[in-house]
Amino acid sequence: DARVTQTPRHKVTEMGQEVTMRCQPILGHNTVFWYRQTMMQGLELLAYFRNRAPLDDSGMPKDRFSAEMPDATLATLKIQPSEPRDSAVYFCASARTGSDTEAFFGQGTRLTVV
Amino acid sequence: KQEVTQIPAALSVPEGENLVLNCSFTDSAIYNLQWFRQDPGKGLTSLLLIQSSQREQTSGRLNASLDKSSGRSTLYIAASQPGDSATYLCAVNLLGRGAQKLVFGQGTRLTINP
Repeated sequence: DARVTQTPRHKVTEMGQEVTMRCQPILGHNTVFWYRQTMMQGLELLAYFRNRAPLDDSGMPKDRFSAEMPDATLATLKIQPSEPRDSAVYFCASARTGSDTEAFFGQGTRLTVV
Repeated sequence: KQEVTQIPAALSVPEGENLVLNCSFTDSAIYNLQWFRQDPGKGLTSLLLIQSSQREQTSGRLNASLDKSSGRSTLYIAASQPGDSATYLCAVNLLGRGAQKLVFGQGTRLTINP
């Protein structure tokens, strides 16, 4: 049963702390996306990778967010230092490049910064 | 900049009715369009993918159409059931810089009343 796996599912942290969210894409998928979902903004694209290379991270606050893919089975999104306005659900999705391929989403990491 | 709009924002209908959800996008240069379902507190589940060269796709009681030239897609749900209650999101897949990028609408929150 191929699926995108995200950890942790929930994270509560204090303002100023570092937060790392992890994503395991579906095996064979070469594109990985990070999205943030809030009530006000809906789903916003933060960054995406193709073949492990970052292609677009224009949606990400550069001063505190960073995204990496150390290998084909792991993508990370890091926030340092975290702020209360970062509270949201962060989703990872993966896909194979091609017009006939679907993007599949993980269950998300619900982040609360207090 | 591609913008995706979904109308209505919320819809409540009695069980058994057929219904249509609408999605419009401003730039017709899309790779494909995908419809998702999201249950409260959960991730996104892919329902249907329509390639830019296709006019419609069907899966069970769901039928999605695409009119790329006019920038519109519809999701038709036949014989609605209470289990169909969820938020439905459409996303256009932009082909930019050789890779794919999903841009989402704000969603339609659907309630099917028994």
